[in-house]
Amino acid sequence: DVVMTQSPLSLPVTLGQAASISCRSSQSVVFSDGNTYLNWFQQRPGQSPRRLIYKVSDRDSGVPDRFSGSGSGTDFTLEISRVEAEDVGIYYCMQGSHWPYTFGQGTKLEIK
Amino acid sequence: EGQLVESGGGLVQPGRSLRISCAASGFTSDDHGMHWVRQVPGKGLEWVSGIIWNTGNTGYADSVKGRFTISRDKAKNSLYLQMNSLRVEDTALYYCGKDIEPGGLASWGQGTLVTVSP
Repeated sequence: DVVMTQSPLSLPVTLGQAASISCRSSQSVVFSDGNTYLNWFQQRPGQSPRRLIYKVSDRDSGVPDRFSGSGSGTDFTLEISRVEAEDVGIYYCMQGSHWPYTFGQGTKLEIK
Repeated sequence: EGQLVESGGGLVQPGRSLRISCAASGFTSDDHGMHWVRQVPGKGLEWVSGIIWNTGNTGYADSVKGRFTISRDKAKNSLYLQMNSLRVEDTALYYCGKDIEPGGLASWGQGTLVTVSP
């Protein structure tokens, strides 16, 4: 199975400041069709996960443009350019290139 | 886009069985996978099982292989998870998720809670 490792696991951020979360996979998550199915999810307290980013850098509909994804191969990053109060929650990366799908441990973003 | 609604969770004793369901509506594409993902309260996300909607091909996490069976009813647009030989460690909120495109889990339901306890 592909192991996904996130860092940091806890991320205190000042409102309006930038935040960055790293996700590394234990092997390449490039699929045989040439696409990299690396996703980022946000889970607000008491809610279901919501996908923010798919295929490394494509934003889902309705996701603010302050969220961006980047990376390739085995190293990926989620960046939030200016953190707002509504961004509090846990962020997960997930690879969907190989079954079983596997998630990172989660990064808890909180406001300082 | 669409909506996923899980049902069927509840309290069950260890060793017993339970079937949970997920009703899908409003999606324009049925070409890709549907999945079950679980979350122990306060913990992370764990993929449990998936099925390719058109072909019926399935996959399972090692932790549930041989005990859980995923299935779908195309006519009812519904996904199921038959859980046998339940263990205390299977206690979790079970989410249904759908791939709108490959490998993406674009849409999630609200979850159904399964509690396995003596």
